[in-house]
Amino acid sequence: KAGVTQTPRYLIKTRGQQVTLSCSPISGHRSVSWYQQTPGQGLQFLFEYFSETQRNKGNFPGRFSGRQFSNSRSEMNVSTLELGDSALYLCASSVSPNTEAFFGQGTRLTVV
Amino acid sequence: QKEVEQNSGPLSVPEGAIASLNCTYSDRGSQSFFWYRQYSGKSPELIMSIYSNGDKEDGRFTAQLNKASQYVSLLIRDSQPSDSATYLCAVSMTGGGNKLTFGTGTQLKVEL
Repeated sequence: KAGVTQTPRYLIKTRGQQVTLSCSPISGHRSVSWYQQTPGQGLQFLFEYFSETQRNKGNFPGRFSGRQFSNSRSEMNVSTLELGDSALYLCASSVSPNTEAFFGQGTRLTVV
Repeated sequence: QKEVEQNSGPLSVPEGAIASLNCTYSDRGSQSFFWYRQYSGKSPELIMSIYSNGDKEDGRFTAQLNKASQYVSLLIRDSQPSDSATYLCAVSMTGGGNKLTFGTGTQLKVEL
């Protein structure tokens, strides 16, 4: 069974640009969550989607947005990139909310 | 007070010893608890989940939960150098769905 797939694995963007990250969950998983990991702040929750609906949102500015498609695949978008957005962005999928979550390999975003 | 607290370490144990990792959480209504292992430069890997008071064993790993004390721990028996990693405690808090709140992680070093 394939794991959680995130694309791309690495990205370098310039300040002010926008970026879209993609996540394909494990087959049969309908819940997708996104996290940002930085050395200073650790793992921080961005948002959670289940059945195409955002169920929870973390404490991030509106520049961070996401969506989930009918096939459970999810994307997150960051607009007007700032240097501080440089981080490892992780997607986790689970069968449903409140069940075990499995992480993808992550997308490492560098903003220059 | 942080929502999920862990000692950052490093925790050093000799090969073959028992490593004990601890975590406390602030939300008394939390229902789901997870331990993840993260190697440097990699994404978190789920090791254990625990939902009710008591012990849960899986191979060399034992998770212990005490909801009255708001405490969860992970024991690693017969520690191996390959266990050297950062161990993250994650808690799904009341009404949080699949939103996981992570501790900052404990770095474990298993020495030959």
